[in-house]
Amino acid sequence: DAEITQSPRHKITETGRQVTLACHQTWNHNNMFWYRQDLGHGLRLIHYSYGVQDTNKGEVSDGYSVSRSNTEDLPLTLESAASSQTSVYFCASSESSGSLNEQYFGPGTRLTVT
Amino acid sequence: GIQVEQSPPDLILQEGANSTLRCNFSDSVNNLQWFHQNPWGQLINLFYIPSGTKQNGRLSATTVATERYSLLYISSSQTTDSGVYFCASPTQGGSEKLVFGKGTKLTVNP
Repeated sequence: DAEITQSPRHKITETGRQVTLACHQTWNHNNMFWYRQDLGHGLRLIHYSYGVQDTNKGEVSDGYSVSRSNTEDLPLTLESAASSQTSVYFCASSESSGSLNEQYFGPGTRLTVT
Repeated sequence: GIQVEQSPPDLILQEGANSTLRCNFSDSVNNLQWFHQNPWGQLINLFYIPSGTKQNGRLSATTVATERYSLLYISSSQTTDSGVYFCASPTQGGSEKLVFGKGTKLTVNP
């Protein structure tokens, strides 16, 4: 069955370190998204991609970057981790034929920055 | 961009009770999704419902796009229904990006 996976599921890192969270989907979806979830804020969009070599900033993109070298993967990199980036991160994907497309979410990565 | 508001923020039920969760949005939408986040944190797609009514077992949803709201009905609630329910809509017409409400936390007691 097609699916979307994230790794690692849990990560503890130190302030200032570079961290990369992986997202892999097997639906062949062109659209991929990264969200973070924090108490009191719900889910907020970090970065998104509408296809290979396409990346765009979302609502809370400062301190994060993404790259899209193939359809299946959209890794999220924290260039220099900060305590404010402690959060749960969700990756999602959807088809690309206009705005009537359902997004499907991965299981999430819980990141703690100490 | 569009604003999404959910009510109530918290809801406590006894098993077997019915409930209605509401999602209001600030502008017309052509896509509305409902999700259930279970106690393990997983986001589960419940409904993709730009307009009209859909039913899936004990759950149903209705979106009235012209009046800018959507309702999620849970009938004969079970303890496994506990968790947080989110609605989400595109940030603007033609956009693929979703904006989420802050959720309704549902607790179903045995």
